[in-house]
Amino acid sequence: NAGVMQNPRHLVRRRGQEARLRCSPMKGHSHVYWYRQLPEEGLKFMVYLQKENIIDESGMPKERFSAEFPKEGPSILRIQQVVRGDSAAYFCASSPTGRLGETQYFGPGTRLLVL
Amino acid sequence: GENVEQHPSTLSVQEGDSAVIKCTYSDSASNYFPWYKQELGKRPQLIIDIRSNVGEKKDQRIAVTLNKTAKHFSLHITETQPEDSAVYFCAASAVTGGGNKLTFGTGTQLKVEL
Repeated sequence: NAGVMQNPRHLVRRRGQEARLRCSPMKGHSHVYWYRQLPEEGLKFMVYLQKENIIDESGMPKERFSAEFPKEGPSILRIQQVVRGDSAAYFCASSPTGRLGETQYFGPGTRLLVL
Repeated sequence: GENVEQHPSTLSVQEGDSAVIKCTYSDSASNYFPWYKQELGKRPQLIIDIRSNVGEKKDQRIAVTLNKTAKHFSLHITETQPEDSAVYFCAASAVTGGGNKLTFGTGTQLKVEL
């Protein structure tokens, strides 16, 4: 039973380019959460998605960031026109049903470096 | 929204000693409190969690206590070993805004010295 998968593991972009981060949840999980971890800081919630629905995007920056979780395929976090401040580790987590108090399992993260 | 504070930010103990990390939260409606361990460059891994209908939970050398009245919870590691060295994060599950999002503390860098 494969765990949460993320790719790429490392991504280097120049300022102004686009970054696309992918997350495949654990088998049987239909709820995905994205968190951002700035260097030497804790994880900050960004967005919570169910298949084809954004449930809570209260942690997403208003501009340049978007997320989706299509019916088929992985969840994607998209950052347009990246800036140096976007450099961080981006983790996704998944859970089976999204019930309150349900364990979230984390992926290995994508480390984004903006030059 | 929920706010979680975590102390200390760094903790150094001798091998075999106990380590205690404390967290407080602000949202009285939160009812799920997991602890994650993160080694350098790795993913956060759940080590123990507690729900608000329980005051204490233990798993071998790790225990967590919860005081809902005071809105604080603590992680206790006994008989520490070098492999316990990592960053530990507490979190609380926020009920506002829907869903099961976690609000994390700022982390505790635990170093177990030989």
